[in-house]
Formats: sequence, C-alpha cells, structure tokens
Amino acid sequence: GNSVTQMEGPVTLSEEAFLTINCTYTATGYPSLFWYVQYPGEGLQLLLKATKADDKGSNKGFEATYRKETTSFHLEKGSVQVSDSAVYFCALTGGGADGLTFGKGTHLIIQP
Amino acid sequence: EAGVTQFPSHSVIEKGQTVTLRCDPISGHDNLYWYRRVMGKEIKFLLHFVKESKQDESGMPNNRFLAERTGGTYSTLKVQPAELEDSGVYFCASSQFGKGEQYFGPGTRLTVT
Repeated sequence: GNSVTQMEGPVTLSEEAFLTINCTYTATGYPSLFWYVQYPGEGLQLLLKATKADDKGSNKGFEATYRKETTSFHLEKGSVQVSDSAVYFCALTGGGADGLTFGKGTHLIIQP
Repeated sequence: EAGVTQFPSHSVIEKGQTVTLRCDPISGHDNLYWYRRVMGKEIKFLLHFVKESKQDESGMPNNRFLAERTGGTYSTLKVQPAELEDSGVYFCASSQFGKGEQYFGPGTRLTVT
C-alpha cells in the first residue's frame, strides 16, 4: 500500500535560516504529492502540490519538487520567519479523488 | 466562499455513549472525506463519499462507526458506542469532482473518558 515518511521533529531554527523538511513516499502508479500546513489553533491548509514527476510546487516562499527517481518531495524555504511555525504534513493520493495518505507531521519552531 | 465547517469543535463523552459529528463541505463539492488523527499518530483516511454514495470506506475502523451523506450535501459520522481508543481529532475534507486538491475543515476533537 501507499505510505509517506517524513522527519518528525520538532525542528527548531532561527529566523532567516534555510529550511528543509524531508519527505519520501512509497506508492504504486503515479501519485499526486502535497504539503499541508497546520498553524496553531487552525485546520489543515494546502500549502503546495505536484501532480507529476519533475513538477515543482511553490507557495509563500516554500518549494518542493516531485522526484520520481528518489521517490521524494522535500519541502524547502530559503529564509524562514517566526510566522512559519506550524506542523507540516507531507501527503499523497494514488490518483484522482482518492483519499490522502499522510506522513506523521513535522513540528517546525522558528525562533526570533 | 465559505470553507468546510465541522460541528462540534470539541466533544467530551463517556465510554459507551453515542456521538454524532457533522461536516458541511464547500458548496458544489461532490467529494467528501473523513479522516482521523489519534494522538501521536498519522492522520488516517476513514472514508470517501461521492455525492451521497460511499466510494471507499476501507479506512473505517469497525462497525461502531457509521457515516452518512443523505442528499449529497452535509455528512454525519456517528460513533456508537464510543470506546476510549476513539479519542482523537476527526477531520472532514471536500474537493470538486475530478480534482485531487482537498480542502479541510478545522476538525472535531473527540475525547472519550
């Protein structure tokens, strides 16, 4: 079956540091890949997505590239802010409107 | 446009009682999903409706859980009787027909004591 593995954290960084959160997956076929973010006290929000190999998703300064050869979808940001503190979830669907398979989530803490 | 809404936001019940959670998807979204996050674990898929039909209920943990979506609009998830291990946050999400991008509600935190 499908599975997603991501670093669990907490990951603590200083403001303006470079961020990488690793995500690897196992899936049959050609999954679509997503990063969701949950800010304190709020629900899950879609951060970015990629639907085919070599696609790059980007939003709010975050980027992730769909790497089929390494089955990875690592999340990166060049300069993090305190407001980026949240829990980040890597997820995939087998295709179309299937249910999502999530990683365990990575708690990111940005210190001023 | 209103987002996905869930009610209640919190529920505390005793073991053996019944609880019904409600989800209102984004208007016009045919796909509706239920997920659950038990403390310290992954968010797990429970089931998927397309309009009023259950497309995939492979994630439902047991027959104490009953989901309905009469009329293809809002959905309810009933737990009867509730057990301690049912505690967690229950999320609902919706998406447009043929689209993989799901929009999530704020979740219902269920505590069974």
